[in-house]
Amino acid sequence: EAGVTQFPSHSVIEKGQTVTLRCDPISGHDNLYWYRRVMGKEIKFLLHFVKESKQDESGMPNNRFLAERTGGTYSTLKVQPAELEDSGVYFCASSQVVTAWADTEAFFGQGTRLTVV
Amino acid sequence: AQSVTQLDSQVPVFEEAPVELRCNYSSSVSVYLFWYVQYPNQGLQLLLKYLSGSTLVKGINGFEAEFNKSQTSFHLRKPSVHISDTAEYFCAVTISGGYNKLIFGAGTRLAVHP
Repeated sequence: EAGVTQFPSHSVIEKGQTVTLRCDPISGHDNLYWYRRVMGKEIKFLLHFVKESKQDESGMPNNRFLAERTGGTYSTLKVQPAELEDSGVYFCASSQVVTAWADTEAFFGQGTRLTVV
Repeated sequence: AQSVTQLDSQVPVFEEAPVELRCNYSSSVSVYLFWYVQYPNQGLQLLLKYLSGSTLVKGINGFEAEFNKSQTSFHLRKPSVHISDTAEYFCAVTISGGYNKLIFGAGTRLAVHP
């Protein structure tokens, strides 16, 4: 069974450019999460989709970030225009929606390392 | 609001020595606790989790952690480490009964030397 897949693995862009990160969750997982780790600090929650709906986007830094999950399958996270402080590793995770919380586990992708220069 | 503090950013240790990675959390409500590991060039992998019940939790690769409610701690231990345990370890919490929106600590880099 394929795990959570993220594209690209690395991206280097100039300040002011646009970048789109993609996440393919595990098949059948309705929950999809985006997290970000900036330069050795803690991994921070960005947002949570349940199918195609945004359940919680309280962690999105500002309106330069736009996340979508059309059709409830893969998700994209676009940064436009990118700033230097957006550099970091962006993780995606997915999990099933089950009635017993103890059965859930969030599976993480390898992350996309974004460098804005 | 919840927060997680990992007290050591780096822990060097010799192979076959015991290790403890410390984690303290802050929360006004009940939480679930997790340890994740990230090996080089890989994603985060769940090591173990505490949801309820026995405060000593055993995970994969010989790791275990003990939940201490009075000290609000969830330290990770292994009695004898291997070179292959070299990785970054993250402690995380989430609110009991909620979605698994995780709040992470800053991570601890474990370096196992021969």
